[in-house]
Amino acid sequence: NAGVIQTPRHKVTGKGQEATLWCEPISGHSAVFWYRQTIVQGLEFLTYFRNQAPIDDSGMPKERFSAQMPNQSHSTLKIQSTQPQDSAVYLCASSFPGRSDYTFGSGTRLLVI
Amino acid sequence: GDSVTQKEGLVTLTEGLPVMLNCTYQTIYSNAFLFWYVHYLNESPRLLLKSSTDNKRTEHQGFHATLHKSSSSFHLQKSSAQLSDSALYYCALSDRGTGNYKYVFGAGTRLKVIA
Repeated sequence: NAGVIQTPRHKVTGKGQEATLWCEPISGHSAVFWYRQTIVQGLEFLTYFRNQAPIDDSGMPKERFSAQMPNQSHSTLKIQSTQPQDSAVYLCASSFPGRSDYTFGSGTRLLVI
Repeated sequence: GDSVTQKEGLVTLTEGLPVMLNCTYQTIYSNAFLFWYVHYLNESPRLLLKSSTDNKRTEHQGFHATLHKSSSSFHLQKSSAQLSDSALYYCALSDRGTGNYKYVFGAGTRLKVIA
């Protein structure tokens, strides 16, 4: 069990560029969550998939952020026209159906310069 | 909406002293799960404790917490702090009754244990 795998571990982008973050959930986990971690805001919910279907994207900044889960083995979080305030650690987590606790990945540290 | 409050941003303790990290929450749903996650530097956040049962103590790895619905609290405690307990601790809430398993996290409390 390799756990939740997130790639890349670190990403540096220039302001205005696009960033795509990848998450591979644990096999058999049907729920996938994305969170953003910053020193100021702590851990903020972004979006949530269950059985690949989007369930709740209430935390997603609407204009530049999008997430997809094209198959059960990976999810992507895409940020268009990145801004310095997007700099954060983006954490993906997955869980078994009906389980309340998650397994988190190690995160992608995004730096927008 | 739901909220979780962790008032202490940083708690500094001498090794051997008791630990208490405060967590209070607000929710309109009665079927809430409360969690403590611990985040060590350069690792993934991992589950430390969880509970949905009122007034029942839950324990793991020397830490314990009791969910008190009457006071909307789920404080994390340990009898004796160790240097290895230094980490970021998050309290989180999930409303099972809604069928939505997303968490609302508190701001986090950084525990620093010194010799």
